[in-house]
Amino acid sequence: GAVVSQHPSRVICKSGTSVKIECRSLDFQATTMFWYRQFPKKSLMLMATSNEGSKATYEQGVEKDKFLINHASLTLSTLTVTSAHPEDSSFYICSASSYESPNQPQHFGDGTRLSIL
Amino acid sequence: EDQVTQSPEALRLQEGESSSLNCSYTVSGLRGLFWYRQDPGKGPEFLFTLYSAGEEKEKERLKATLTKKESFLHITAPKPEDSATYLCAGASKTSYDKVIFGPGTSLSVIP
Repeated sequence: GAVVSQHPSRVICKSGTSVKIECRSLDFQATTMFWYRQFPKKSLMLMATSNEGSKATYEQGVEKDKFLINHASLTLSTLTVTSAHPEDSSFYICSASSYESPNQPQHFGDGTRLSIL
Repeated sequence: EDQVTQSPEALRLQEGESSSLNCSYTVSGLRGLFWYRQDPGKGPEFLFTLYSAGEEKEKERLKATLTKKESFLHITAPKPEDSATYLCAGASKTSYDKVIFGPGTSLSVIP
């Protein structure tokens, strides 16, 4: 089955640091990748959608300059949280979709727990 | 505006006590209704896709059904390992990839 690998699984860093999270589709080419944020006991909040080689489309209220998304290839997307502050602490999850799997629109990574001190 | 809601927010069941989770949706031109399972600290795991009213899908103790306004996830004789958050999501025909997630139902199955 389609596997999405997300790295790192957990990161703790000081306020002001920039943090990069990677999302890789291991056995398929991802037409589109999505980045979500999830607060404790809440559902997934879509942050942005990215297609390979194109600029990401951000949801309303998500700061483009704070959350930089790069989708340089069909198997890799990165999310960089720039100048992170404690309020950016959250669980970030990526997902990928492919026209090879029309019955399963999104395959999810296992998330990254980001803690900003 | 497209919307997906779920009830109850949380559900505690005794092992073996069957029940159903509800997902209500208002998605224009529904292309698919999806169910996912999410364990704590993990990403969602795909369970089912339903495309049209009347459709049913089964997997072990889980059965998903779909009407024109709702979807139900029936859990028969649940076990403690079924404890998780169950997420429902809808996708419209105008957007192949983008889905709208409901808030989820947190299920706890007590031995």
